This record gives sequence, structure tokens and C-alpha cells, in this order.
Amino acid sequence: QLHLQESGPGLLKPSETLSLTCTVSGGSINDNNYYWAWFRQPPGKVLEWIGIIFYTGTTYYSPSLESRVTLSVDSSKNQFSLRLTSVTAADTAKYFCARDASRGGTDYWGPGTLVTVSS
Amino acid sequence: EIVLTQSPATVSLSPGDRVTLSCRASESHSYFLAWYQQKPGQAPRLLISDASNRAAGVPARFSGSGSGTDVTLTISSLEPEDFAVYYCQHRNNWPPGFTFGPGTRVDI
Repeated sequence: QLHLQESGPGLLKPSETLSLTCTVSGGSINDNNYYWAWFRQPPGKVLEWIGIIFYTGTTYYSPSLESRVTLSVDSSKNQFSLRLTSVTAADTAKYFCARDASRGGTDYWGPGTLVTVSS
Repeated sequence: EIVLTQSPATVSLSPGDRVTLSCRASESHSYFLAWYQQKPGQAPRLLISDASNRAAGVPARFSGSGSGTDVTLTISSLEPEDFAVYYCQHRNNWPPGFTFGPGTRVDI
């Protein structure tokens, strides 16, 4: 059974950089059938896609966040990571990592981690 | 970018009821449409992929149908654990990208 787990700081100040890591267990991140994705959900609001990465390092980002986002992958640790620069209160959200099976849907999700941006 | 609208926004029902939730896309989405269930404090759970394929472990009371710009999720007989928010999601084939609908809340 595949398991994903997000980790990283839960509290940031405005202008700081958000860094989260997703650790994948029960399967290999080096599987060319899947992409690995980040989503977020502000409290009480709708899910938003942030970006997606292939194990080779190929990335695609949401146009609305592209200027501030970087995804990376560490195959040796079976992890992929999110970096979001210059955060503001609008970036306060629960951040989820997930596996993308393309036409098969986003089939595995981490439990999510709440990141709060506050001075 | 495809825009998804869902209806109704909220529906109040009882266990045993049948419910059909709708998702309309701003343009034809060519299959890459999925449905998710989300309960408070939890991650979304994949229910249906490719408009009509039930995900592994999802009960048979959940079914998806539709094509073109309109798809539906039907729950044939609501169980107490089905009261949640349901989202439709479009995944762009190339380049990869995702859009979610605003959700439908199914309340008791």
C-alpha cells in the first residue's frame, strides 16, 4: 500500500520561503507510470493545484504560482519537495502531496500539513 | 484553462436517499475528469476516474457517467459515512495541469 507523508515547518512569517517534503513509502518514486503532485487548500476553500514533477525532474507549474514555485525530486530518498518563495497570508493553507495516475486520477494523497503565514 | 462548475452547491438528504451531483466543464474535457470525496480534516479520496471508472475499494453505490462537457456522480443509497464534500477535477492531458470544481456539500 502506497503511503505519502508531508513534512516541514507549520508557521512562517511573510516574505519567508515555504519548504515541504513528501516522503513516499510502499512504492518507488522512480515509476514512469506516475507523476508526483502538490496541491493546497486554504481553510474552508477549494483545492488548488501547485505543480507536478516526474521522477526525471521534469516539472509543470500552475501559471498563478509559477514565478514563486520550485519542485524537486530526490530518488535516493524516495522524496519530492516543494519550495514556495515570498509567502504572504494568502499562502496559508493545508498542503497535500499526491500521486498522479494521469487518466487514472490522483489516486494517493498524503494527510496534508497545515502551513500558516503570520507575522 | 477549463473552468468547472458544480451543482447543487449544497444538498440536504437522509440515509438511503439517492443523489446525483453534476459537474459542467467550460469546454469538452476528453475523459480526464475525476470525482473526489473529502471529509473535514482529511485529504481528498479518489472515487471515480476517467468520468466513469470506480477507483479501487470504492463501494458500488458510487457511479460516474457523462461525457463532453457534463458529467455526473450518483450515490444510489446514501450511507451515514457518505456525508461529505464532493469535488470534480479536470486533469489536462498535455501539458499536465489540474482544475477543481467548487464542490458540492452533501449534508444530513
